Amino acid sequence: TQLLEQSPQFLSIQEGENLTVYCNSSSVFSSLQWYRQEPGEGPVLLVTVVTGGEVKKLKRLTFQFGDARKDSSLHITAAQPGDTGLYLCAGAVLTGGGNKLTFGTGTQLKVEL
Amino acid sequence: NAGVMQNPRHLVRRRGQEARLRCSPMKGHSHVYWYRQLPEEGLKFMVYLQKENIIDESGMPKERFSAEFPKEGPSILRIQQVVRGDSAAYFCASSPGQVNSGNTIYFGEGSWLTVV
Repeated sequence: TQLLEQSPQFLSIQEGENLTVYCNSSSVFSSLQWYRQEPGEGPVLLVTVVTGGEVKKLKRLTFQFGDARKDSSLHITAAQPGDTGLYLCAGAVLTGGGNKLTFGTGTQLKVEL
Repeated sequence: NAGVMQNPRHLVRRRGQEARLRCSPMKGHSHVYWYRQLPEEGLKFMVYLQKENIIDESGMPKERFSAEFPKEGPSILRIQQVVRGDSAAYFCASSPGQVNSGNTIYFGEGSWLTVV
């Protein structure tokens, strides 16, 4: 059983379109982080959310942490080819999970011209 | 990738040999994590260390794998008698404090192990 489920698993869209990636769990997280990973590289941190209901914006990317701290979403406005990559959510389980991040299944995004 | 240094970036080993992967955390970070990413799979936690201590090794295979983070020097992930199934990308990450306290984990660029 996967602790963190991401959807969709794959997404192929045209430049200029909007998209939302979801990260869901039945567990409560003390914090949740979003990363982007390019082929052959390590995950690069995009954002950390800590407070339930928190919304953070990073240029065209909007991140939201659910009120109950069990889920999160990433919304990209006017996607560009440079947004192509693997998007990963990762959470620190509040209780019983230890001090480590558990990663989601990932969303592979491809933005075409 | 935010200063976490891993080497080597690429390593080829024959079956039965040993692989040693090194990781220097970001300056000021005393918490180190190792993750493994198998082809077509997600990142899986292996081990969490603080200086000279293994805090959580629940993700480490029971045999052939070991990790250390000595008082001086980098963290080392050691794989003895490698098999083809060990071929993967191994990522090191570090943080300034405990993740459950809201600290962010930063990743290195990874070490790609190929076992032939």
